[in-house]
Amino acid sequence: AQTVTQSQPEMSVQEAETVTLSCTYDTSESDYYLFWYKQPPSRQMILVIRQEAYKQQNATENRFSVNFQKAAKSFSLKISDSQLGDAAMYFCAYRSNSAGDKIIFGKGTRLHILP
Amino acid sequence: NAGVTQTPKFQVLKTGQSMTLQCAQDMNHEYMSWYRQDPGMGLRLIHYSVGAGITDQGEVPNGYNVSRSTTEDFPLRLLSAAPSQTSVYFCASSQFTGSPLHFGNGTRLTVT
Repeated sequence: AQTVTQSQPEMSVQEAETVTLSCTYDTSESDYYLFWYKQPPSRQMILVIRQEAYKQQNATENRFSVNFQKAAKSFSLKISDSQLGDAAMYFCAYRSNSAGDKIIFGKGTRLHILP
Repeated sequence: NAGVTQTPKFQVLKTGQSMTLQCAQDMNHEYMSWYRQDPGMGLRLIHYSVGAGITDQGEVPNGYNVSRSTTEDFPLRLLSAAPSQTSVYFCASSQFTGSPLHFGNGTRLTVT
C-alpha cells in the first residue's frame, strides 16, 4: 500500500525568506501524481501544485515550486519570498494512475510565518 | 457553479445516534471521496467511489456506510455514533485520474 510521510510537523520561516517542506512517499508504481494542498485557518483545502510522475520537469506555480526526485521518492515544496498569507497547514498527497485509485495524504506540516 | 457542497457545517450527536452527512457536486465528477481530519493525523480516507453504483473502502471505514446512486451525490452515514468519530469530515471529488481533488468546506462533528 502507498504511504505518504511528512517528517516536519511544524516549521517557521521569516517573512520574505524561503522555506522547504519535505514529503516522501512509498509506492511500487511508476505512473502516479503528487500534489501539495494548503489549508489556512478557514479550513478550506486549496490546491497549491501538481506534479505528474512521468514528467521530469519540476512543477512551478508563482512562488511555489517542487523538487521532485522520483528515484528517491521525494517531493518537497519550496516557498519563496514567504508572505503572512502562506501561514497554513500543508499536505502532501499521492494519487495512483490505476483504475480505482485512492488519494493518500500525509499528516501535514504547519507553517508559521514570522513577521 | 457551486462545486462541492457539504451539509451540515456543524453537528453535535449523542453516542448511539445515527446521521447522514450530505455531499453533492455539480461538476459531473466521477470520483468522490470522504476523509476525516484529526489533529496530528492528516486526512484519512474513509470511503471512495469511482462512479455511480461503485464504492470502496479507504483506510478507516469502520462505523461508516456510503452509497452512490447518482453521479452528483455521495452521502456518508454514521450508523451508531461514537466519541471516536468526533472529527472534521471532508467530501472531495475529481474529474478523472490524475486530476486534483475539489473539496467541500467540511463538517465539524462532535459526538458526546
